[in-house]
Amino acid sequence: EPEVTQTPSHQVTQMGQEVILRCVPISNHLYFYWYRQILGQKVEFLVSFYNNEISEKSEIFDDQFSVERPDGSNFTLKIRSTKLEDSAMYFCASRKPGQGETQYFGPGTRLLVL
Amino acid sequence: LAKTTQPISMDSYEGQEVNITCSHNNIATNDYITWYQQFPSQGPRFIIQGYKTKVTNEVASLFIPADRKSSTLSLPRVSLSDTAVYYCLVGEFRGGGADGLTFGKGTHLIIQP
Repeated sequence: EPEVTQTPSHQVTQMGQEVILRCVPISNHLYFYWYRQILGQKVEFLVSFYNNEISEKSEIFDDQFSVERPDGSNFTLKIRSTKLEDSAMYFCASRKPGQGETQYFGPGTRLLVL
Repeated sequence: LAKTTQPISMDSYEGQEVNITCSHNNIATNDYITWYQQFPSQGPRFIIQGYKTKVTNEVASLFIPADRKSSTLSLPRVSLSDTAVYYCLVGEFRGGGADGLTFGKGTHLIIQP
């Protein structure tokens, strides 16, 4: 069964550094998403992406965040200057077009900012 | 997405059937009901989705009454590995703008031996 994959599984970085989180969505999916989950808290929507542009973004997704689909398979989330509060699990998700189609999540990247 | 209400936690035992009910009084005509499962340190995993009546797959059943203001996720013969957080989400899931999922706190299901 096709799966969403994410790399790396864990990343430790220093405050102020840039990080890039990578995702490979399921191949026939056209909508892509990033979510984050701070330890012990709810899963929070960050951004959705379709047709090479952002469809929707939450208040969390400020100027330090950016997304890109650099080629036909990868979908990346860049955090330009990490803060301590960016420490969280980051999940990528994808879905097929069509009403009622569900999002499928990757295993996540655990980001720790020191 | 319509607001949903579900129990914060539930306990059960191995081999039992577990039913988790979700209230969604403001569900709209075009809304679907979707349940996700999440284990610690893993991404949410789709379990089942329905629009009305009953849906069954290899993992669970979803019961939706005629008024669609609530739904019940039924897990048959649970095992210890079913211990997880279960989320009920209601929305059109149509793609495009405004389709980021809004997760609540979910129901933390604990299965004991």
